[in-house]
Amino acid sequence: DMMMTQSPDSLAVSLGERATINCKSSQNVFHSANNKNYVAWYQQKPGQPPKLLISWASTRDPGVPDRFRGSGSGTDFALTINSLQAEDVAVYYCQQYFTTPPTFGPGTKVDI
Amino acid sequence: QVHLVQSGAEVKKPGASVKVSCEASGYTITNYAMHWVRQAPGQRLEWLGWINTVNGNTRYSQTFQDRVTITMDTSATTIYMELSGLTSEDTTVYYCARGPWGHWFFDLWGRGTLVIVSS
Repeated sequence: DMMMTQSPDSLAVSLGERATINCKSSQNVFHSANNKNYVAWYQQKPGQPPKLLISWASTRDPGVPDRFRGSGSGTDFALTINSLQAEDVAVYYCQQYFTTPPTFGPGTKVDI
Repeated sequence: QVHLVQSGAEVKKPGASVKVSCEASGYTITNYAMHWVRQAPGQRLEWLGWINTVNGNTRYSQTFQDRVTITMDTSATTIYMELSGLTSEDTTVYYCARGPWGHWFFDLWGRGTLVIVSS
């Protein structure tokens, strides 16, 4: 199975500041046939299911604020939260869907 | 409103089976695939398998291949996940999650069903 790693494990950011979470896949997840990276990002708040933020490494799901930005290609990806808000406190997961089974990173906890 | 409504928490004995349901509402179920993902405390999310909501075909993770069965009811609004041979390591929250055809990311999740395996 493809391994996904994330760094850091947790980070604390001041309100209004930027948070950056890194994700690395053990294999290339870029598909040259459609020029897409098969990576998604999720946000999970306590007691709630994960919520899709970004698919295709950089495409925000409808309704996701534009302060959430996904980037990267190949094996290295990042989720950036610009101007962190109190409601952004959560655990964030990356996921690859390039190969079966789809696999997730261990999560990064973001705190204020 | 678009929802995935899951059945309630279960307590099972080791060696038993559990069957969790997931009812889709607010959208046409056959427009999306349905997956099952579980999340143990402190562990990463783990994909169990998926069902083609059009023809009922399934595919399972090799980790759970021998123990998991995903089915649909004939009205095609409810998906079921049955896990057999339960051990304490199966004590976790099980989610159904909707995904677009052909691409296995998950854009809608149920609220989760806690399964506790205890003697």
